Amino acid sequence: AQTVTQSQPEMSVQEAETVTLSCTYDTSESDYYLFWYKQPPSRQMILVIRQEAYKQQNATENRFSVNFQKAAKSFSLKISDSQLGDAAMYFCAYRRGDGNKLVFGAGTILRVKS
Amino acid sequence: GAGVSQSPSNKVTEKGKDVELRCDPISGHTALYWYRQRLGQGLEFLIYFQGNSAPDKSGLPSDRFSAERTGESVSTLTIQRTQQEDSAVYLCASSSSSGAGGETQYFGPGTRLLVL
Repeated sequence: AQTVTQSQPEMSVQEAETVTLSCTYDTSESDYYLFWYKQPPSRQMILVIRQEAYKQQNATENRFSVNFQKAAKSFSLKISDSQLGDAAMYFCAYRRGDGNKLVFGAGTILRVKS
Repeated sequence: GAGVSQSPSNKVTEKGKDVELRCDPISGHTALYWYRQRLGQGLEFLIYFQGNSAPDKSGLPSDRFSAERTGESVSTLTIQRTQQEDSAVYLCASSSSSGAGGETQYFGPGTRLLVL
């Protein structure tokens, strides 16, 4: 079974600084997708970024980028120029290429200090 | 609608009672998912519907849990004889196509269930 591990229960970053959230996963599949979701206090899960395993290039969405290390099964999220609105719980998730369900990590709480 | 909606937003019930949670997916989305999120934890998959195919019920934790979906519309998640361990946020998501691969799952705001 696939598992996703987020080893940082909580992280803090100063406004305008950069922070990296860690995620590792375990799978024997070669075709899969990886996602980072943000969950603010409103509970609404918002997709931040996604990565196809077959793509070597790291995905980037504005201030958000990933460092995808397929051999190491690592998928970290970098947030540049952190803003107060980035404060939330962040979840890393995995999905098999031919699958349907998402497998989530336990989450990392990100606090942004002004 | 503009997004996935869920009702009620919050539900408090007594142990042993049955509850029904509702999810309205984004119009036109054929795939619908239910997840459970216990306090301070990640989401756990419960059940998946795709069109008129048989649902994937592999994540349902016990036979007290069931879900229905009529066509590509509303879904209801029913928990019978609720237990305190059922207290959690129940999140619904929908996606636009077959559900396989990288299609984005769009989530609703969830229903927070508290069993006293």
